[in-house]
Amino acid sequence: AQSVTQLGSHVSVSEGALVLLRCNYSSSVPPYLFWYVQYPNQGLQLLLKYTSAATLVKGINGFEAEFKKSETSFHLTKPSAHMSDAAEYFCAINRGSSGSARQLTFGSGTQLTVLP
Amino acid sequence: NAGVTQTPKFQVLKTGQSMTLQCAQDMNHNSMYWYRQDPGMGLRLIYYSASEGTTDKGEVPNGYNVSRLNKREFSLRLESAAPSQTSVYFCASSEGVGRTEAFFGQGTRLTVV
Repeated sequence: AQSVTQLGSHVSVSEGALVLLRCNYSSSVPPYLFWYVQYPNQGLQLLLKYTSAATLVKGINGFEAEFKKSETSFHLTKPSAHMSDAAEYFCAINRGSSGSARQLTFGSGTQLTVLP
Repeated sequence: NAGVTQTPKFQVLKTGQSMTLQCAQDMNHNSMYWYRQDPGMGLRLIYYSASEGTTDKGEVPNGYNVSRLNKREFSLRLESAAPSQTSVYFCASSEGVGRTEAFFGQGTRLTVV
């Protein structure tokens, strides 16, 4: 079975501060990992994905995530928060190249608030 | 590009009423999905269609039916709505097996009173 755990359902940062959203995974096979962002009243948009090519993955809007097998983590970071980053963020896992999107398993989400 | 389009965006139903949520994608994807999103629970898969002509149950299928009308369209039907089905529903699509990321529609906010 595969799963992801997002630590912290709500995170607040000041504008310009570091954003760190935590995701730990559990998988019996090498996983593919994803971060999605959901802005208010919108669908989910893919931020970035890890598919075993490189452990440091860069995504859209200045976000990046590092796959750490030893820590079973895939934390999302951004050096400097912007007001427009306020949204809900979801970590998701799949079974690697043998999986299909129906096997995506989502975390419970982290609501990011950016304070002026 | 439109991507994945869902209709309606909002709906209020009375308990026992029926309705169909529509979804269409213009990315020529083989696979399509219906998820529901509830606070604190992430997204849960209701039904999926791996390819045109096939449908299968996901994690929470009870109370729902689906139809893969053609490659572009995948509808979700609530035959007799219940308050427990109050949720935000998302349609998604992907290229298919081995393509593990999904592309999502804007969602339908359904309230059952």
